[in-house]
Amino acid sequence: DAGVIQSPRHEVTEMGQEVTLRCKPISGHDYLFWYRQTMMRGLELLIYFNNNVPIDDSGMPEDRFSAKMPNASFSTLKIQPSEPRDSAVYFCASSLGSNTEAFFGQGTRLTVV
Amino acid sequence: DQQVKQNSPSLSVQEGRISILNCDYTNSMFDYFLWYKKYPAEGPTFLISISSIKDKNEDGRFTVFLNKSAKHLSLHIVPSQPGDSAVYFCAASDDKVIFGPGTSLSVIP
Repeated sequence: DAGVIQSPRHEVTEMGQEVTLRCKPISGHDYLFWYRQTMMRGLELLIYFNNNVPIDDSGMPEDRFSAKMPNASFSTLKIQPSEPRDSAVYFCASSLGSNTEAFFGQGTRLTVV
Repeated sequence: DQQVKQNSPSLSVQEGRISILNCDYTNSMFDYFLWYKKYPAEGPTFLISISSIKDKNEDGRFTVFLNKSAKHLSLHIVPSQPGDSAVYFCAASDDKVIFGPGTSLSVIP
């Protein structure tokens, strides 16, 4: 398996634009997580899915953020409209269990100008 | 309020010496603890873990110690090598994994 695949690796967008981040988890993993890394807050859990169903989205900062998992091999994190304070590295991770070793993608570095 | 704390943002150690990275947590329901390592421009990778029923787990040069009464765990790396230079994240879980803010380790040749 190629591991968790995220796209794009880098995204630069203007304030107010919609941004969509994509993730392909490792085949067979039932859990998918979206994290955001910032200097101030470290790695924050935004939302996680079990078998494509959102389980906990309490970390999603605002209604501008939404995440979907239409099937076992694909998930998106959308920010609409984007703001400069959303600039961060966004990681997707997948695992066999909710509290077991997670495998991370390489991240998407988002810059909102 | 952060449930997982790593109070040292950075640490420098001489090659060959021991590196000790510390982590504190507040939630007594956490029952599984993990350490991840992260290099620049890469995602975190799993390093070692420990269940709350144990107080020590060892894997080669890496040992994790858990003190449940103090809600404290530590990662020991001995001997430290320049390739160990990275950011180390402590994580704890009950039903989901919560990460600490990370400690940047520099191993000086």
